[in-house]
Amino acid sequence: NAGVTQTPKFQVLKTGQSMTLQCAQDMNHNSMYWYRQDPGMGLRLIYYSASEGTTDKGEVPNGYNVSRLNKREFSLRLESAAPSQTSVYFCASSPGGTSYEQYFGPGTRLTVT
Amino acid sequence: AQKITQTQPGMFVQEKEAVTLDCTYDTSDQSYGLFWYKQPSSGEMIFLIYQGSYDEQNATEGRYSLNFQKARKSANLVISASQLGDSAMYFCAMRVMNTGFQKLVFGTGTRLLVSP
Repeated sequence: NAGVTQTPKFQVLKTGQSMTLQCAQDMNHNSMYWYRQDPGMGLRLIYYSASEGTTDKGEVPNGYNVSRLNKREFSLRLESAAPSQTSVYFCASSPGGTSYEQYFGPGTRLTVT
Repeated sequence: AQKITQTQPGMFVQEKEAVTLDCTYDTSDQSYGLFWYKQPSSGEMIFLIYQGSYDEQNATEGRYSLNFQKARKSANLVISASQLGDSAMYFCAMRVMNTGFQKLVFGTGTRLLVSP
């Protein structure tokens, strides 16, 4: 039981390049989330997926797209990376309904030069 | 606006002593919940404790307890008998409803350093 896994762990991009961050959970959770963590700012929600087949914007969605490929997988895409997207990205999942705890992946450290 | 405020950027405590990490929140919802997460230097986010707004008793999980004062809108984390392994960032978060869906709003965190 791996919980929430994320790939890659580290990535360096040049401005304008694109990439997809992968996230998968094996806990049969309904809801999945993408956050970014910047120094001094805590975690901010980028996008979330309440259930398979649905996605919605969080606080800071600009410059990102997401895909809920199936119940297990939720990917985050940067179409044209910018230095402002340098951050640590966390994926999380939760059962949904009245179970509120979110389980986090190990994070992806992304640097855009 | 729904917001979490953690006013202590850093805290120091000696091993075996107790420490309180402050968290205040702002919401107009009647139903909400407060979480504490620990983030060690390795970077992962570890769930510690949860308190629902209707829970009458303060939540406890081992050495962690949540001092919930609803009238003051505070949800402080108390760590008893600190250990060296407690050195980490600690984040307070609030469960909020948005268009029928539960999401978390995080504070900016407190860095705790436990010394021998």
